[in-house]
Amino acid sequence: KNEVEQSPQNLTAQEGEFITINCSYSVGISALHWLQQHPGGGIVSLFMLSSGKKKHGRLIATINIQEKHSSLHITASHPRDSAVYICAVTNAGKSTFGDGTTLTVKP
Amino acid sequence: DGGITQSPKYLFRKEGQNVTLSCEQNLNHDAMYWYRQDPGQGLRLIYYSQIVNDFQKGDIAEGYSVSREKKESFPLTVTSAQKNPTAFYLCASSAWTSGKRGDTQYFGPGTRLTVL
Repeated sequence: KNEVEQSPQNLTAQEGEFITINCSYSVGISALHWLQQHPGGGIVSLFMLSSGKKKHGRLIATINIQEKHSSLHITASHPRDSAVYICAVTNAGKSTFGDGTTLTVKP
Repeated sequence: DGGITQSPKYLFRKEGQNVTLSCEQNLNHDAMYWYRQDPGQGLRLIYYSQIVNDFQKGDIAEGYSVSREKKESFPLTVTSAQKNPTAFYLCASSAWTSGKRGDTQYFGPGTRLTVL
């Protein structure tokens, strides 16, 4: 079993839908990261969380430390949100990554 | 502009040849990392360095070597001992703290290596 599990693996949505991607982890962490990887391969850091909730534009990330679970929400999804979303947990400077969720938003 | 550069973007090599991938950062970060990404899999850590002249093996270091002679640079050599070198390689850096909190890692654009 991977230390970081994401679900779903693939997700297809219609433009405007509310999206939720989940991440569960089984190790102690100092922070959890949500990353976005576009088809060209470049990776952008969206959020770093150690507790609670963060919001940036249409993106919301939450974390429940007790349950070792985080969610990434996208409101009013748009085709440009199509990408791979990766959950990563960090401890002592080292990161462990989930396998990613491939999101496709259709117009 | 501050950031991380990797070169080249695409690299082709014949089997049995060593190849070195470049990674440079001007973010003044202490820590640098090399990851390998295979289709449908998460990133796996090859090597990381928290300070100049020091580096540590990651989860899949066999067949790879690194050096950290300068803070800005962390080149990765894929040697002929790496059994399956074709992959997408990502370099990242972060501001190293005491390790008590995770710092955001900034990623380079990646190098896609294909061994023929």
